Amino acid sequence: DVKVTQSSRYLVKRTGEKVFLECVQDMDHENMFWYRQDPGLGLRLIYFSYDVKMKEKGDIPEGYSVSREKKERFSLILESASTNQTSMYLCASSSTPDLYTEAFFGQGTRLTVV
Amino acid sequence: ELKVEQNPLFLSMQEGKNYTIYCNYSTTSDRLYWYRQDPGKSLESLFVLLSNGAVKQEGRLMASLDTKARLSTLHITAAVHDLSATYFCAVDRLETSGTYKYIFGTGTRLKVLA
Repeated sequence: DVKVTQSSRYLVKRTGEKVFLECVQDMDHENMFWYRQDPGLGLRLIYFSYDVKMKEKGDIPEGYSVSREKKERFSLILESASTNQTSMYLCASSSTPDLYTEAFFGQGTRLTVV
Repeated sequence: ELKVEQNPLFLSMQEGKNYTIYCNYSTTSDRLYWYRQDPGKSLESLFVLLSNGAVKQEGRLMASLDTKARLSTLHITAAVHDLSATYFCAVDRLETSGTYKYIFGTGTRLKVLA
């Protein structure tokens, strides 16, 4: 079974802190994604990566950055956390498009910025 | 801009009844995905629909895809309480990098009443 693991289930951080959310997948997937989920807005893509050190902005990248130094690990960084970044963050991975597979999700990190 | 719309957003139904959730998307896509999310948990893949006319069934759930109408349906037959969850549809979009991003609908929160 594909396993996508996020480092924390719950986090509470202070405004202005630098926050790191870590995600690891064990299926050698090329693609990894970070989404945030907010009530009434569904899942919105923040960033995605299609290869080591390669990244592309999603639909809401402002205030975030990412890092992918190894194929299995994709980190989301909040450079200076703000209260409007309080949300559920979901990491996902998928294999190449030729294989027509769905994205597999981690368990989510609920981040509260106070 | 690719948009994915689901309706209804909320659905409360009695056990034993049938109902359909609709997923419309705004641009051409040959693949559509359905996910389930239980409260406080991550997304679990239900169906992957890969071509026009595709139909898949699992238990009381059946999903279909009409790419010409840009419409997918998730039909619930004889609902039971265990089906209470939020259901998301998603389509993928080819990016200039050659990889695919997944664009999600806002979700349909289903509550099955005993």
